[in-house]
Amino acid sequence: AQSVAQPEDQVNVAEGNPLTVKCTYSVSGNPYLFWYVQYPNRGLQFLLKYITGDNLVKGSYGFEAEFNKSQTSFHLKKPSALVSDSALYFCSNTDKLIFGTGTRLQVFP
Amino acid sequence: DAGITQSPRHKVTETGTPVTLRCHQTENHRYMYWYRQDPGHGLRLIHYSYGVKDTDKGEVSDGYSVSRSKTEDFLLTLESATSSQTSVYFCALGSSGEQYFGPGTRLTVT
Repeated sequence: AQSVAQPEDQVNVAEGNPLTVKCTYSVSGNPYLFWYVQYPNRGLQFLLKYITGDNLVKGSYGFEAEFNKSQTSFHLKKPSALVSDSALYFCSNTDKLIFGTGTRLQVFP
Repeated sequence: DAGITQSPRHKVTETGTPVTLRCHQTENHRYMYWYRQDPGHGLRLIHYSYGVKDTDKGEVSDGYSVSRSKTEDFLLTLESATSSQTSVYFCALGSSGEQYFGPGTRLTVT
């Protein structure tokens, strides 16, 4: 079955440190992969996507993600975390209309 | 959330009553979706529409029905609400795989 998995329910990081939010996938065909962010009491907002091309994808708010076909992963990264990055992050394959369970990112001052 | 509104934003209802949630868009998107968000489950697709009067079921469609009589409106109906349908419901529009989400409706079934 096709799926997208986020193995960590929560990630804690200090402000200024690099952050990584993990995502692995199992989809047939080309894996069109996306990251979304959800702030409290809001809908999801698109951050970035991988369709084809460069494995390193840059998106909004300084986030980037690295597509790794051999490891079937699409981890979200940011070189220097901000307190304002604290939110719920979802990995998805919206081409197949499936989402991961979400990872809550908490950035501490 | 620009261009997508959901109503009501909050609703408390009793078990067994019918409930209709409305999604309205001003973007003229062909594809519209209804999801529910629950802790530990992420977002799960209920139903989607690929045009006026064209709808299809998603992963968790049991107990829900939808209608789309015009491009801008996509209605989600719970014919007889149950406590397991307590959730946050999101409408979304689709384009090239990217989706744009409404602000959500928090539904509590008591």
